[in-house]
Amino acid sequence: QKEVEQDPGPLSVPEGAIVSLNCTYSNSAFQYFMWYRQYSRKGPELLMYTYSSGNKEDGRFTAQVDKSSKYISLFIRDSQPSDSATYLCAMSRYTGNQFYFGTGTSLTVIP
Amino acid sequence: DAGVIQSPRHEVTEMGQEVTLRCKPISGHDYLFWYRQTMMRGLELLIYFNNNVPIDDSGMPEDRFSAKMPNASFSTLKIQPSEPRDSAVYFCASSSLTNEQFFGPGTRLTVL
Repeated sequence: QKEVEQDPGPLSVPEGAIVSLNCTYSNSAFQYFMWYRQYSRKGPELLMYTYSSGNKEDGRFTAQVDKSSKYISLFIRDSQPSDSATYLCAMSRYTGNQFYFGTGTSLTVIP
Repeated sequence: DAGVIQSPRHEVTEMGQEVTLRCKPISGHDYLFWYRQTMMRGLELLIYFNNNVPIDDSGMPEDRFSAKMPNASFSTLKIQPSEPRDSAVYFCASSSLTNEQFFGPGTRLTVL
């Protein structure tokens, strides 16, 4: 079993839709949870970062962590064509430790 | 800061040749990571360094792969001899003690 599971999609939504992206994990020692966005032919860039359980909001983006279910989510409100990218979840046990990445979900927002 | 710098951006080589990928991390970052990304396997950690010392190289696929970090501002990933199945995008990332890894633009390697 992989440490981190992520549905690869692809996911295609109309502009303005709410998008939900999810990851599950098996290691209960994970404490830090990240979402990276990767545009085509670019390196991943950090989008959201959460420590432990709870919600974090940044503009149109909300990250949720449910450690009891080993489940994390990223919600995108009012999705825009510029949100079209691959979204990777990542998690680690402690600061400076290696990250465990999901395989990424490809998202296309249609104008 | 210019961010993480990788070279070359594209590399096309023939099977059996030696390939060297280069990375310059962000100044002041003491962690450096090498990843490989393919459609089939996603982003895989190959090796990471802390203060120039390799901490975990369990992701290095086989002895044909080696990585060095001779100083805080430079690292190399070498494949010798290269094989077609090594074709992938190789990323270098660096971080400080925060949990944000900054990725370079990647090197797209094609082994014919």
